[in-house]
Amino acid sequence: DAGVIQSPRHEVTEMGQEVTLRCKPISGHDYLFWYRQTMMRGLELLIYFNNNVPIDDSGMPEDRFSAKMPNASFSTLKIQPSEPRDSAVYFCASSYQASYNSPLHFGNGTRLTVT
Amino acid sequence: ILNVEQSPQSLHVQEGDSTNFTCSFPSSNFYALHWYRWETAKSPEALFVMTLNGDEKKKGRISATLNTKEGYSYLYIKGSQPEDSATYLCAFRSAGNKLTFGGGTRVLVKP
Repeated sequence: DAGVIQSPRHEVTEMGQEVTLRCKPISGHDYLFWYRQTMMRGLELLIYFNNNVPIDDSGMPEDRFSAKMPNASFSTLKIQPSEPRDSAVYFCASSYQASYNSPLHFGNGTRLTVT
Repeated sequence: ILNVEQSPQSLHVQEGDSTNFTCSFPSSNFYALHWYRWETAKSPEALFVMTLNGDEKKKGRISATLNTKEGYSYLYIKGSQPEDSATYLCAFRSAGNKLTFGGGTRVLVKP
C-alpha cells in the first residue's frame, strides 16, 4: 500500500484566496483525521471522520474551515478565505478501528504558507 | 478540552546514556495511549499502542509503561544513539476514537 497520500506537499497563497488540501487514506481504513501542526499549539485535531461521516469537528477553528469526505478514498480540507495565521503544516491520518490497538498512519503533510 | 501533557519539552542526552520522559493524561474515559516517533521533515510513525493498566511494550531499545489509574505513561530509551534523535509524541484515545496529542518531547542525542 502507498500509505496516506496528501497533496499538495507545499502551498503558497495570498491572503483571501481559497485553499484546498487533499487526502487519500489507506485503502480499508475507516477513520480519517485532519490535524494542524504549529509551533505554538503542536498537533491539533481539527476534524475526524468514521465511514465518511464527520464525528467531531470541534477543533475546526472557525467557519472559514470546512472538510468533506465524499467517499472512502478521498477527503478535502478547505480554507476560504485564507489568512496568514492559517500558515501551518496540515496532516491527514487514517486508521482501521476494528480493535483498540490500531495506530494512526500519517501522510507527509501539506505545508501551507499564506502571505 | 482534554489535557495531555508531556515533559520535559526537550532534553539532550549523551550517546550511550539512557533516558526517559513522561506523558500525563486524564485517568477517566481511557481507551488507549499511543506513542509516536517524529523525525524532522518526516511524518509521525507509531511506536506503541497501549490499552491495559500495567502494560509494558518494547521495541528494540525503546520501551514504554502505562498507568491508567493515575494517568501517566513513561517512554524509556536505553543506550541512546544519534538516530534516536526525534520528537516523541503521546496521544490519548478517548470515546469515539478521538485522539488528542501531547506537545511532544524533543530528544537530541549528542555523539
